[in-house]
Amino acid sequence: GQSLEQPSEVTAVEGAIVQINCTYQTSGFYGLSWYQQHDGGAPTFLSYNGLDGLEETGRFSSFLSRSDSYGYLLLQELQMKDSASYFCASRMDSSYKLIFGSGTRLLVRP
Amino acid sequence: GAVVSQHPSWVICKSGTSVKIECRSLDFQATTMFWYRQFPKQSLMLMATSNEGSKATYEQGVEKDKFLINHASLTLSTLTVTSAHPEDSSFYICSALTSGTVDEQFFGPGTRLTVL
Repeated sequence: GQSLEQPSEVTAVEGAIVQINCTYQTSGFYGLSWYQQHDGGAPTFLSYNGLDGLEETGRFSSFLSRSDSYGYLLLQELQMKDSASYFCASRMDSSYKLIFGSGTRLLVRP
Repeated sequence: GAVVSQHPSWVICKSGTSVKIECRSLDFQATTMFWYRQFPKQSLMLMATSNEGSKATYEQGVEKDKFLINHASLTLSTLTVTSAHPEDSSFYICSALTSGTVDEQFFGPGTRLTVL
């Protein structure tokens, strides 16, 4: 089967740094994406790793290690508005279909 | 960035009725759109891939006769939930795939379906 596992919940303090991990088991792999979703809203794209290493986009960074089937999303200088669910997602093949991870609810406290 | 809309944003219907949900790419053409379902506090589950001008491709376990998908133009895909039942109540989200220098999916705002 195909699965992407994430911690279910993470709590952090405003201004802190938090890391959300994603481990995957897939039959095919074309890269790892990260999405943010506020309650009742649409997923919005945050970052993508096609190759091993770190990708940085403002306060958000994402890392991928293909050999470890592992990636993470790093959020720096946390703000209250960052409280949301975060999903890793993987393309299985050339069709661009995405398989989403189990999701992590991030709660940022004052 | 590219914009995808869905209509309606929410719908309440009686058990046994059919409901149509529209997904539109507003400022780009999308030969491929995807339909997802999301139950409360759960992840997005891919239901089907909608291809303009051809039949949709359904994921394992998704009933194609219950969830009818039509991708009649490069900017519109529709999902019809036929003979809806309470267990079909969910958040239905579409995404549209751009093409060009970067292939990326843009998601619609979702449609909340409640079947009484």
